[in-house]
Amino acid sequence: AQSVTQLGSHVSVSEGALVLLRCNYSSSVPPYLFWYVQYPNQGLQLLLKYTTGATLVKGINGFEAEFKKSETSFHLTKPSAHMSDAAEYFCAVKSDSWGKLQFGAGTQVVVTP
Amino acid sequence: DTGVSQNPRHKITKRGQNVTFRCDPISEHNRLYWYRQTLGQGPEFLTYFQNEAQLEKSRLLSDRFSAERPKGSFSTLEIQRTEQGDSAMYLCASSFGDGPNQPQHFGDGTRLSIL
Repeated sequence: AQSVTQLGSHVSVSEGALVLLRCNYSSSVPPYLFWYVQYPNQGLQLLLKYTTGATLVKGINGFEAEFKKSETSFHLTKPSAHMSDAAEYFCAVKSDSWGKLQFGAGTQVVVTP
Repeated sequence: DTGVSQNPRHKITKRGQNVTFRCDPISEHNRLYWYRQTLGQGPEFLTYFQNEAQLEKSRLLSDRFSAERPKGSFSTLEIQRTEQGDSAMYLCASSFGDGPNQPQHFGDGTRLSIL
């Protein structure tokens, strides 16, 4: 079975600082990986996805993620945090051929002035 | 594209009551998924439909839970004889097929609180 592990349930960053959220996956086949963001009392919004091809994936709101097969990682970064980035972030892997997603436990991001 | 719509947004009910949630997917999306999210956790898969056919159900979906998608459009999730442990956010997502370039689009969820 495919799964993801997010390291760190809470991350605090200063406004303007680098945001780095860690995700490692477990998969016996090439994975399809996703990052979603969830604002309070809302659903999940897709930030970016990795399917095949380029290992550096650019998403919305200035986020990007790099797929590293050798490290089984798909870490999410943003060069400069903004107050509006405060939210919960979920890494997910498409877990079977039917398309259902297996999510990590999430990382809560707090941005301080 | 009006997005995935879920109703109600919040539901408060007493233990033992039945509740029903509705999900309207993005039009022409043939895949529809239900997830459950408890506080501090990521969403967990419950069930999904391709058109009107329910193709898989998680072990999390006890016999008190039933989902339908008549005519392959909107879907309903019913919980009978609710229990305290059913308190959670119930999320619906839809996609057109399951290919990697067809990500799931989520609604804002229905938050269920059991008194």
